Amino acid sequence: KNEVEQSPQNLTAQEGEFITINCSYSVGISALHWLQQHPGGGIVSLFMLSSGKKKHGRLIATINIQEKHSSLHITASHPRDSAVYICAVTGDYGGATNKLIFGTGTLLAVQP
Amino acid sequence: NAGVTQTPKFQVLKTGQSMTLQCAQDMNHEYMSWYRQDPGMGLRLIHYSVGAGITDQGEVPNGYNVSRSTTEDFPLRLLSAAPSQTSVYFCASSYGRVGGYGYTFGSGTRLTVV
Repeated sequence: KNEVEQSPQNLTAQEGEFITINCSYSVGISALHWLQQHPGGGIVSLFMLSSGKKKHGRLIATINIQEKHSSLHITASHPRDSAVYICAVTGDYGGATNKLIFGTGTLLAVQP
Repeated sequence: NAGVTQTPKFQVLKTGQSMTLQCAQDMNHEYMSWYRQDPGMGLRLIHYSVGAGITDQGEVPNGYNVSRSTTEDFPLRLLSAAPSQTSVYFCASSYGRVGGYGYTFGSGTRLTVV
């Protein structure tokens, strides 16, 4: 079983829809990261969370430490939001390390 | 522009050739790392460094070497390329040695070994 699980693996939405991507993890963490990767592109950090909720534009990320679960929400989705969204966690694994453990990503396609 | 610079963006190698993927950051980050991204497997850690002169192995280190002689640079060397090393490689850096800091990723190197 992967230490970081994402769902769904693939998601197709119509422009304007509210989108939720889920991430569950099974290890102790110091932070959870949401990353975005456009097709053939680089990786951009969207959020880093250790508790609560963060908002940036139409993107909202929440984390529940007790339940080891995080969600990424996109309000009023747009075709330019089409990308792979990756959940990753960091923690103090064995000393002075800053190791990222990644989920396998959610491929989002927003159709006009 | 501040950030992580990776070169080259694309490379084709023949089996057995060696090459170095370059990674440089200008943010004075202590932590630097190399990942490979393969379809259906997500990103996997190859090697990482918590400061100049300090490196360690990640999840998939075989066939790769690294060194960290300066804070800014963290090159990844493929000693004898194999088709199994066909992948997209990302370098990333972070401020702190332990978790809790954001990451900056390079734009990636798409490597094909034939």
